Amino acid sequence: DTAVSQTPKYLVTQMGNDKSIKCEQNLGHDTMYWYKQDSKKFLKIMFSYNNKELIINETVPNRFSPKSPDKAHLNLHINSLELGDSAVYFCASTPSGTDTQYFGPGTRLTVL
Amino acid sequence: QQQVKQSPQSLIVQKGGISIINCAYENTAFDYFPWYQQFPGKGPALLIAIRPDVSEKKEGRFTISFNKSAKQFSLHIMDSQPGDSATYFCAASMGGNNAGNMLTFGGGTRLMVKP
Repeated sequence: DTAVSQTPKYLVTQMGNDKSIKCEQNLGHDTMYWYKQDSKKFLKIMFSYNNKELIINETVPNRFSPKSPDKAHLNLHINSLELGDSAVYFCASTPSGTDTQYFGPGTRLTVL
Repeated sequence: QQQVKQSPQSLIVQKGGISIINCAYENTAFDYFPWYQQFPGKGPALLIAIRPDVSEKKEGRFTISFNKSAKQFSLHIMDSQPGDSATYFCAASMGGNNAGNMLTFGGGTRLMVKP
């Protein structure tokens, strides 16, 4: 019954590969986000997406791109993976009329 | 430039004691200040949140104190329990249900409550 789900939970891949992480929320939330948590536990916003409006954190490399096939999904595509992309990636969502963000369980990406 | 600074980085408290974590922010446009709790291997979960129109908010053993003029806010955990051992993050955003409502997080505090 997880409100925000992510797949896969773990992802191990080689440098230079292209990979995707999927996020789904089943609560009818309007806004979805992607955050990156580095090895020091620091959490940083990557993207915010609401009704086709995308806001990108200016520090995010353009190798990262969010794709939203519908309101319940916001997937993260990463091209030409680099060692520094290794981190835990969290998807989150917010219901209409509130500021509360609900986080998914995270996807641990390891780039070798 | 870190817009939300959190201290301490780690904290050890005896069971039954008070845990206090502090945060300071720079952007005066922030108007929503949540605290998140994260257990190992899990995503952050909202613990308690406050808006700058009040100076204190209490929910059970958790209290946020907010000082708008100093641009500081803190989390107090009363009667700390071993089950409270987790990483705590303060955060701030400009609020509003739109794509601009992105959280800026502090660096986190790893709390350990000793039995």
